[in-house]
Amino acid sequence: AQSVTQLGSHVSVSEGALVLLRCNYSSSVPPYLFWYVQYPNQGLQLLLKYTTGATLVKGINGFEAEFKKSETSFHLTKPSAHMSDAAEYFCAVSFIPSKIIFGSGTRLSIRP
Amino acid sequence: GEEVAQTPKHLVRGEGQKAKLYCAPIKGHSYVFWYQQVLKNEFKFLISFQNENVFDETGMPKERFSAKCLPNSPCSLEIQATKLEDSAVYFCASSHRVPGDNEQFFGPGTRLTVL
Repeated sequence: AQSVTQLGSHVSVSEGALVLLRCNYSSSVPPYLFWYVQYPNQGLQLLLKYTTGATLVKGINGFEAEFKKSETSFHLTKPSAHMSDAAEYFCAVSFIPSKIIFGSGTRLSIRP
Repeated sequence: GEEVAQTPKHLVRGEGQKAKLYCAPIKGHSYVFWYQQVLKNEFKFLISFQNENVFDETGMPKERFSAKCLPNSPCSLEIQATKLEDSAVYFCASSHRVPGDNEQFFGPGTRLTVL
């Protein structure tokens, strides 16, 4: 069975600090991996995705994630946090063309 | 259209009443998905369609939930006899089948409140 685990339901960092949101997945077949962001009272916006090829994936707003098969991880990072990054972040796994399985989300707070 | 459209934005129903939600996928997308988000974090997959055919309905509470995607009409998700626990945001997403890519594009959601 496929599953996604996000470590830490809430992460708080200072403005300008490194952002690291952790995601591990469980899958018997190569998955497609995604990070979505959800701002308050809004829908989901795709930050980045991994399907095949280069394991370091760059997304919007300065975010990137690295697919590590040996660790079954897909952690999200951003070198320097901005106040506007405060939101809920969801890691997700999918298998064409089936449903997306979401992690439980990590709320990112940015301290001034 | 270029975005997934969902209507209404908000829906309030008394317990036991019917609720019907609509979704217009991006033009050209063959797959439509419905998700339920409760408590602002947990997403639950409900059902998916390939064109007008049900593709995967493993998440649907079949007693009260039903869904359709008919040609030339918005897709719909209907809840008969709503219960308090149905209060949630319902998201629709669509995707096109391209080998190696299963990006789903999400609509803004419909917030259902059952009183």
